[in-house]
Amino acid sequence: KQEVTQIPAALSVPEGENLVLNCSFTDSAIYNLQWFRQDPGKGLTSLLLIQSSQREQTSGRLNASLDKSSGRSTLYIAASQPGDSATYLCAVNSKAGTALIFGKGTTLSVSS
Amino acid sequence: GAGVSQSPSNKVTEKGKDVELRCDPISGHTALYWYRQSLGQGLEFLIYFQGNSAPDKSGLPSDRFSAERTGGSVSTLTIQRTQQEDSAVYLCASSLYARVRGQETQYFGPGTRLLVL
Repeated sequence: KQEVTQIPAALSVPEGENLVLNCSFTDSAIYNLQWFRQDPGKGLTSLLLIQSSQREQTSGRLNASLDKSSGRSTLYIAASQPGDSATYLCAVNSKAGTALIFGKGTTLSVSS
Repeated sequence: GAGVSQSPSNKVTEKGKDVELRCDPISGHTALYWYRQSLGQGLEFLIYFQGNSAPDKSGLPSDRFSAERTGGSVSTLTIQRTQQEDSAVYLCASSLYARVRGQETQYFGPGTRLLVL
């Protein structure tokens, strides 16, 4: 059974710092890995999707990498801003179109 | 364009009552998912619809939970005889089915916050 773990559970950094959020999964036979952002009391916003054959994806200040064989992904946030404060969720699925299995998230707080 | 919408945004009900939660997916998305987010439990999958195929109900926690999708678009999640442990945020997501790799991003609605007293 696939399990997704995110470390750390919470992270506080000063504005401007570069940071890395970690995600690990127990079964390397994934189809896609997706990173989401969730603001308090809100739904999920998709940030990046990495296909199993890809090594990384970039969007603006965000870069997500995937090492499928070791069951790991990282989300790198450059030059963090207070507006980046949110919970970041990592999720994987095993086949096209199937449901995502989520980690419990990392809650990020960026202070000005 | 319009995203995934859900209604109601909040629902308070008494234990034992039935509730219906509605999801309107993004137009053209053939795949629709229901998830539940409980305090301290994270997000868990409930049910998945893809086109006219039989739904994947493997995540439904009990037979009190059911869902239908009419006309391949709007979906309703029904919880019968609600219990206090059903209190959670119910999230709906939709996606294109993967004819082209990389287009399977799941887009989530804002959720329905259900409180069972």
